[in-house]
Formats: sequence, structure tokens, C-alpha cells
Amino acid sequence: NAGVTQTPKFQVLKTGQSMTLQCAQDMNHNSMYWYRQDPGMGLRLIYYSASEGTTDKGEVPNGYNVSRLNKREFSLRLESAAPSQTSVYFCASSEAGRTGELFFGEGSRLTVL
Amino acid sequence: AQSVTQLGSHVSVSEGALVLLRCNYSSSVPPYLFWYVQYPNQGLQLLLKYTSAATLVKGINGFEAEFKKSETSFHLTKPSAHMSDAAEYFCAVSDVPGNQFYFGTGTSLTVIP
Repeated sequence: NAGVTQTPKFQVLKTGQSMTLQCAQDMNHNSMYWYRQDPGMGLRLIYYSASEGTTDKGEVPNGYNVSRLNKREFSLRLESAAPSQTSVYFCASSEAGRTGELFFGEGSRLTVL
Repeated sequence: AQSVTQLGSHVSVSEGALVLLRCNYSSSVPPYLFWYVQYPNQGLQLLLKYTSAATLVKGINGFEAEFKKSETSFHLTKPSAHMSDAAEYFCAVSDVPGNQFYFGTGTSLTVIP
């Protein structure tokens, strides 16, 4: 019963470094998402992938890139990390379109110094 | 684009008292609305969802929410608060295209013994 698995759970970067957050789901969901959570801001959508082979920008895509590697995996890359990207990142997947429940990973806490 | 507004970033109730968490939405299409709960250091999990069936929706842990189109509201209630209800609660709405989900800024619920 893995659900949505994110790695790493914690990461500290220096400004300008790059890194990739990995996400995999084992529920055969078509849609996958990356959110960031900041105090007082709720969850904000960074990128989403409605189906394998497609990706689209969400509310706050600047500074990020994504790859939908296959149906299971959806990675988020920070090419040149900035302190403003210090946040908790959540990957999620969805079953049946707009009415479907989002299933979340446990989050990845990223600190950029 | 759709959006949700959660009134009150912090709500405190006594154990056994009524819980009322407020959510208003804006939508140009029939809305699909959700409430999620987040316990400390965890991902979000679904409490309940409205997808145009019954306007009164029952969820897990004794929570329920009523969809009121005339008020564009989807408030979350529970008749009697329990200590284990202390958590962060998020209202969300789904959008097209791409089945995007947008979240409110969250309400932190404290239950006082």
C-alpha cells in the first residue's frame, strides 16, 4: 500500500545548486501534481500532468521544471535553487478527473541557504 | 479560474463544542469542492467531497459540509469536537482543463480540553 512516494524527505541546498524531487504512484492514476506549501499561503500548484506525456504550468511555475517520465513517475527539478524556494513540496495523484480525490505523498522539506 | 477563500486562519474550540470552518468559492462552471485535513508532518487526506449529488455531504470522522449555491459556500462542520480533530483543514476546488485543484490558505483548528 505505498500510494504516493516522494524522495528525498529532507534536503538542504545552497543558493544556485540544482536538485530533483522524485515522485512515484502505484495507483495507476493519470493525473499527477506538484504543490508547494508555505505558511499562510496554503498549497499552491506548481505544475501538473493531466496524463502521461503532457505537463502544464500551475500558479507558481517559475524556477521549476517537471518531467512526466511515465505513468507512474513525475519529477520536479530546481535548476538553480533560490532561498524563496524554501518550502515543503507535495506530490499528488488523482483518479477520475475533476471529481477525483487527490492522494498525497508525505512531503519533501527543502531548505535553500 | 476557480478559487476558494477560507475565513479564519486559526479557530479554537472547546472539546465537545461545535466545529465550524468556513469556505467560500468562486466558480464559472459547476464546482466540485473538497475538504482535506493535514495532521502535523503529514500529507493531506480527503475528508469529504461535493460533486453535484446531495448538497449535504458526510465525510470521515463525523465531519460534514453543506453546499449552498446561493451563498457560494461549502462550510465544514462537526457537532462535537474531539482532541484528535486538532489539525490544519483545507478547502479545495477543481478546475478544467487538466483537472487542476486549487486550495485555500487553510484553517488551523485547536481543540481546548
